[in-house]
Amino acid sequence: KNEVEQSPQNLTAQEGEFITINCSYSVGISALHWLQQHPGGGIVSLFMLSSGKKKHGRLIATINIQEKHSSLHITASHPRDSAVYICAVRYGTYKYIFGTGTRLKVLA
Amino acid sequence: NAGVTQTPKFQVLKTGQSMTLQCAQDMNHNSMYWYRQDPGMGLRLIYYSASEGTTDKGEVPNGYNVSRLNKREFSLRLESAAPSQTSVYFCASTEGSGTIAYEQYFGPGTRLTVT
Repeated sequence: KNEVEQSPQNLTAQEGEFITINCSYSVGISALHWLQQHPGGGIVSLFMLSSGKKKHGRLIATINIQEKHSSLHITASHPRDSAVYICAVRYGTYKYIFGTGTRLKVLA
Repeated sequence: NAGVTQTPKFQVLKTGQSMTLQCAQDMNHNSMYWYRQDPGMGLRLIYYSASEGTTDKGEVPNGYNVSRLNKREFSLRLESAAPSQTSVYFCASTEGSGTIAYEQYFGPGTRLTVT
């Protein structure tokens, strides 16, 4: 069983739709990261969370430490949001476990 | 600022050849990482460095060596490449080290094929 599970694995949405990507983990963590990997391969950090909720533009990330669960929401989705979204949890002093990613395609 | 840079972007090696992947960051970060990304799997840590001159093995260190000669640069060496090392390699850095978490910054990746 993977220690970080993301769902769904693949997601196709129409432009303007509200999108939710989920991440569940089984280890005790010090932080959770949401990353975006573009089709060209580059990886960008979107959020780092240790509690509560963060918002940046149309992106919202939440985390429930007790339930070991985090969600990434995209409001008013756009084709440029098409990418792979990766959840990563930090445990110990430097170690991370990465999810396998959610491939999102937003159609115009 | 260039952020995290990696060279080369692409490389093809024959089995048994050696090469060094270079990584540099200009953000004065303490911690640097080498990951590999394989299809269907999450990124996996190869080696970590908390500061100049210190390195720690990650999840998949076999077949690799690293060197952190200064704060900016962290290199990954394959002494005798094997087809199982075909992967995309990412270097990353974070501001601090220890118990406090910081945002990770990633390089553009090196796509390595070993034939």
